[in-house]
Amino acid sequence: EVQLVESGGGLVQPGGSLRLTCAASGFTFSSYSMNWVRQAPGKGLEWVSYSTSSSSTIYYADSVKGRFTISRDNAKNSLYLQMNSLRAEDTAVYYCARSIQLWVQYYFDYWGQGTLVTVSS
Amino acid sequence: QSVLTQPPSVSAAPGQKVTISCSGSSSNIGNNYVSWYQQLPGTAPKLLIYDNDKRPSGVPDRFSGSKSGTSATLGITGLQTGDEADYYCGTWDTSLSAGLFGGGTKLTVL
Repeated sequence: EVQLVESGGGLVQPGGSLRLTCAASGFTFSSYSMNWVRQAPGKGLEWVSYSTSSSSTIYYADSVKGRFTISRDNAKNSLYLQMNSLRAEDTAVYYCARSIQLWVQYYFDYWGQGTLVTVSS
Repeated sequence: QSVLTQPPSVSAAPGQKVTISCSGSSSNIGNNYVSWYQQLPGTAPKLLIYDNDKRPSGVPDRFSGSKSGTSATLGITGLQTGDEADYYCGTWDTSLSAGLFGGGTKLTVL
């Protein structure tokens, strides 16, 4: 059974940093591209970042570019999101999602339960 | 303001049919496949439709997807109260090199 479990969320002050972890199990993690997607309270889904299986290609949303860094450790079956210079507008539930991506195909077939990040003084 | 445009809400009676539209442009829907996600209250999103019109195993055939040009549509027939949820379309934008979601549509089954 595919499982994605996020951790590392919490309360952080504006300008602070936080590192999220997504622990994957039930599939060959090193064979899949992975993503972070967030959802602000009462708002819609926002794609945050994408990494290919080997980390050779990485993309970010403009809203987080230069502040957030996605990384993965295939030996540990783990995906990370290092978030620096956090702002109030980064407050959201952050989901880890596995993606299927090939040419014109791109979708998220499995999602974690999410971890809440609150940026407030 | 999302790059992909969805109606904020739709509603219909139990047993009826509803459609949810998702409008984009040539750099996203026009040249890439569309997916749809269902998010029940308080839960993580779930894949409903992928590659424009394919259903993952376990998704009832009451749910269908289609795409024409730069727009896509999710159809739900035989509405049930359990279908009340937020629905999102998604795709990749080739010009932005970014994933995209529509703003979401809240379905109410009256």
